[in-house]
Amino acid sequence: DAEITQSPRHKITETGRQVTLACHQTWNHNNMFWYRQDLGHGLRLIHYSYGVQDTNKGEVSDGYSVSRSNTEDLPLTLESAASSQTSVYFCASSESAGGVTDTQYFGPGTRLTVL
Amino acid sequence: AQSVTQPDIHITVSEGASLELRCNYSYGATPYLFWYVQSPGQGLQLLLKYFSGDTLVQGIKGFEAEFKRSQSSFNLRKPSVHWSDAAEYFCAVGSLDDKIIFGKGTRLHILP
Repeated sequence: DAEITQSPRHKITETGRQVTLACHQTWNHNNMFWYRQDLGHGLRLIHYSYGVQDTNKGEVSDGYSVSRSNTEDLPLTLESAASSQTSVYFCASSESAGGVTDTQYFGPGTRLTVL
Repeated sequence: AQSVTQPDIHITVSEGASLELRCNYSYGATPYLFWYVQSPGQGLQLLLKYFSGDTLVQGIKGFEAEFKRSQSSFNLRKPSVHWSDAAEYFCAVGSLDDKIIFGKGTRLHILP
């Protein structure tokens, strides 16, 4: 069955370190998204991609970057981790239907703690 | 700009009772609407979606939602809740650039 996976599931790091969270989907979806989930804020979009070599900033992109070298993967990098980036991170993917929104499928999440 | 409001942060119902979770949206055109559920420690799972057609939409796990354009609402309902329905529920509206805007969620608690 097609799926979307994230790794690691849990990560503890120190302030200032670079961290990369992996996201891999086997749906063959063009669209991929990264969200962070924080109490009282719901899900906030960090970065998204509509296809290989395409990346776009979401509403909370400062301090994060992504790259899309193939259809299946969209790694999220925290260039210099800050305590404010302690959060649960979700990756999602969706089929592209000419700009019309379709269902997003979510990974299980990565809980990141920055000490 | 699109937005979604879920006015209830927490809802508590007794097992076997009926449930209605409220959702209001702001969108200029015909919206694409979703309800997702998140169990503790899990990712989000799609319950149901509305794109067009019949305004009463059936989903998984016995849930349904009704789109009411005049009230800009897309409330989620279930006639009889089970303890396993305890979770967080997110209403969302889709945009024409393939993004989804999520509400802040409603946490459902079930009393035995």
